[in-house]
Amino acid sequence: GENVEQHPSTLSVQEGDSAVIKCTYSDSASNYFPWYKQELGKGPQLIIDIRSNVGEKKDQRIAVTLNKTAKHFSLHITETQPEDSAVYFCAASTGSARQLTFGSGTQLTVLP
Amino acid sequence: EAGVAQSPRYKIIEKRQSVAFWCNPISGHATLYWYQQILGQGPKLLIQFQNNGVVDDSQLPKDRFSAERLKGVDSTLKIQPAKLEDSAVYLCASSPRTGTSETQYFGPGTRLLVL
Repeated sequence: GENVEQHPSTLSVQEGDSAVIKCTYSDSASNYFPWYKQELGKGPQLIIDIRSNVGEKKDQRIAVTLNKTAKHFSLHITETQPEDSAVYFCAASTGSARQLTFGSGTQLTVLP
Repeated sequence: EAGVAQSPRYKIIEKRQSVAFWCNPISGHATLYWYQQILGQGPKLLIQFQNNGVVDDSQLPKDRFSAERLKGVDSTLKIQPAKLEDSAVYLCASSPRTGTSETQYFGPGTRLLVL
């Protein structure tokens, strides 16, 4: 089955700096890659996603890039703010039922 | 639009007891998922429903876990008997349909502590 690895597990940045989180996947058939943000005590919330026919997608301060050849994708957050502090999960979707396999998460802390 | 609803939000039980969780998906969403999220890990799929039928339950520990989705709307997940290692957050998610790469919307989760 699919395996998704995520790095780093923790990331601290100064407010206003950029943050980058990287994921690799194993199944070349995966074609949908969402990123979720999970705040303490809450369920994961989709922040951005990308499909395999696109190399990059941007939504205001958040961008995701996908390299299908290398089987890795990354989340980029620019001009970080304290409210960006949370756990971020990448995921890959594969199989006929389009099930998600999640990475292990990155705890992002934005220092004021 | 109302989100995915789950109850209870918290549950503390002793090992070997039984527990049940309830999920109400977003209106009109055909696909419903139950995930287990152990502290410090990403969610792991337990079971996927399409309407009231099971699409995949390969990762559901069927000796103790059961789930149903009557009438293709609400769903319940039951654990009987519970073990210490079942302590986790149980997340319910829904999406409009399967067969395509559709977004999954998550509920707030039920936090289970087994003592």
